[in-house]
Order: sequence, then structure tokens, then C-alpha cells
Amino acid sequence: QQQVKQSPQSLIVQKGGISIINCAYENTAFDYFPWYQQFPGKGPALLIAIRPDVSEKKEGRFTISFNKSAKQFSLHIMDSQPGDSATYFCAARYNFNKFYFGSGTKLNVKP
Amino acid sequence: NAGVMQNPRHLVRRRGQEARLRCSPMKGHSHVYWYRQLPEEGLKFMVYLQKENIIDESGMPKERFSAEFPKEGPSILRIQQVVRGDSAAYFCASSPGWGPGLYEQYFGPGTRLTVT
Repeated sequence: QQQVKQSPQSLIVQKGGISIINCAYENTAFDYFPWYQQFPGKGPALLIAIRPDVSEKKEGRFTISFNKSAKQFSLHIMDSQPGDSATYFCAARYNFNKFYFGSGTKLNVKP
Repeated sequence: NAGVMQNPRHLVRRRGQEARLRCSPMKGHSHVYWYRQLPEEGLKFMVYLQKENIIDESGMPKERFSAEFPKEGPSILRIQQVVRGDSAAYFCASSPGWGPGLYEQYFGPGTRLTVT
């Protein structure tokens, strides 16, 4: 049973456009929601994270929007660049140290 | 300041052999996690260890898989009598276990296991 559902599976965006990736969860005990970026052949790297008492967090071109009542959160990449082309994973943390990952979104930013 | 180190990066084993995957956490980190990633899928939690202790192994298959994190040296994920279905990328992550980012996980580059 998938604890965190992520969509879309793949995404093509033109350079300069906005990339939006969505995740949904069921377990209200999750207390921390990070996003990871993974390039081929590399490990996931922490990109940005949010706690459920905050509705939005912005770091540079990356923004997380969090909707606690809907149990959804999303990653927005503004002014998307070809260098942003990677696989993005959302995750949710339970009991301090157990992370559940979404299935990933492969982003392709066309020049 | 080296990140999480994993070796080997690629490992090929024949069915029935043993695979040993090693992970050295970031300096100062005392918590280690192992994940498995199948092609086109997300990461699946396997086990969480602190020095000399297994804290949570709820994601580990009951047979053939074991993990350890000794007082000295790297954490080891051991897969005995490998089968083709064990082919995957295995990622190790570490976290400090203290301070403001105590549970933030930093990932290594992974070991890609191929079973022939």
C-alpha cells in the first residue's frame, strides 16, 4: 500500500515554464515532508522540506505548497531550466526517522 | 567534508552468491538507513541502524538479508544467496542523530547490484 502517492510520473516543461509535481498522503502522523532531486546514477539530494504547521516554503526557484486539510503537498519549480531535468521524489516522515517516498516524477525541461 | 560513501558502486553477482554492500556515513553521523530502489520506482525503506544497534528492520525481507553497523567501520548490508529479483540500486543514507537537523537524511551515490 503506497503511503505517499506522487503524480505525474513524467513531466515535460519548456525552459522558463513552471513545473508542478503533486503528492498526497493519508497518515496524519507524518510530521515532515521533504523533496529530493535525483540525477541519473546519483543518490537523491535533499532539495527543500516543509513541516505541516506551515502552508508554504520558498527557496530560490523552488516552492513547496502544503495543504494540511487536503493532505496534499506540491513542489513548484519556477523559471524551469534544462539543468533541472532530473527525477524528483516527495517523501513523508513518520516517527522521526522512517521515511516513505513517492514513486518519483521524471522532469524534462526542453531548451 | 566527505559525504556518504558507498562501495562498490557496481556489483555483479551470480545467482546463489553473496553480496556485501558497504556504507560509510558522513563524519559525525551516527544513524544509517538502507533503501532499495527498483528501476522507475521510488525508494523503499529497508532498515535503520545506530552504532551496534538495529533500530527498525521492518522493511527488510525476513530471509537472506541482514545489516550491521559496528562500533568501528562502515555499515554493511549483506544479501545471501542472491536471486535475480535482488537486482536493484541500494542506497544508504545517514543522519546526525543530534542537533536541529538530527533526522535529515543525506544519501550516498548507491550501489547498483546486478544478479546474473
